[in-house]
Amino acid sequence: EVQLVESGGGLVQPGGSLRLSCVASGFTFGDYWMTWVRQAPGKGLEWVATLKYDVSEYYYVDSVKGRFTISRDNTLNSLYLQMNSLRAEDTAVYFCARSPPPHYYYMDVWGKGTTVTVSS
Amino acid sequence: DIVMTQSPDSLAVSLGERATINCKSSQNVLYSSNNRNYLAWYQQKPGQPPKLLIYWASTRESGVPDRFSGSGSGTDFTLTINSLQAEDVAVYFCQQYYSRPLTFGGGTKVEIK
Repeated sequence: EVQLVESGGGLVQPGGSLRLSCVASGFTFGDYWMTWVRQAPGKGLEWVATLKYDVSEYYYVDSVKGRFTISRDNTLNSLYLQMNSLRAEDTAVYFCARSPPPHYYYMDVWGKGTTVTVSS
Repeated sequence: DIVMTQSPDSLAVSLGERATINCKSSQNVLYSSNNRNYLAWYQQKPGQPPKLLIYWASTRESGVPDRFSGSGSGTDFTLTINSLQAEDVAVYFCQQYYSRPLTFGGGTKVEIK
């Protein structure tokens, strides 16, 4: 079964850091672009970051540039999101998602998400 | 950034009737070199992640019932749910992938009348 499982969310104070993880199974992880998408409570979807299968390309939404870092370890079938200098507006459910090759355009498999709450 | 605007925000449809959701992009998402519209539709049920329904504006994802269809081109798109079923109650989002940042519409909530 194709599956993505996120972890690492939690409550953090403004200015703090968290590292999210996403473990993939049921497919060849190293063949896919991977993306983080977030959803603030009761709100819509926001694309956060995308990373190519060979890590040669990566992209971020402007609001997280310089604060978040997307990375992956294809040997561990894992995707990561290092989040620093967290702000209240980063509070959201963070979904890990894959895109069918050869591009990152749309996401065909999603994890269930991990919740990040930034609050003092 | 391309802004995606969905309408209506919500709609209530009787079981077996048709639901129509609109999505308008602030810029053209039709790539002339391949004549493809860079638009996808997702369904999100409460407490669940989004599920891909449609890509390239009108290509149904494998396993998606054929009562779901996508249409439109350029800047105006429609998701149609024919013969609405109880399990179709959800929020529906459009997404453009013509340019970065990838952007989503605000969502349309579909309920049973």
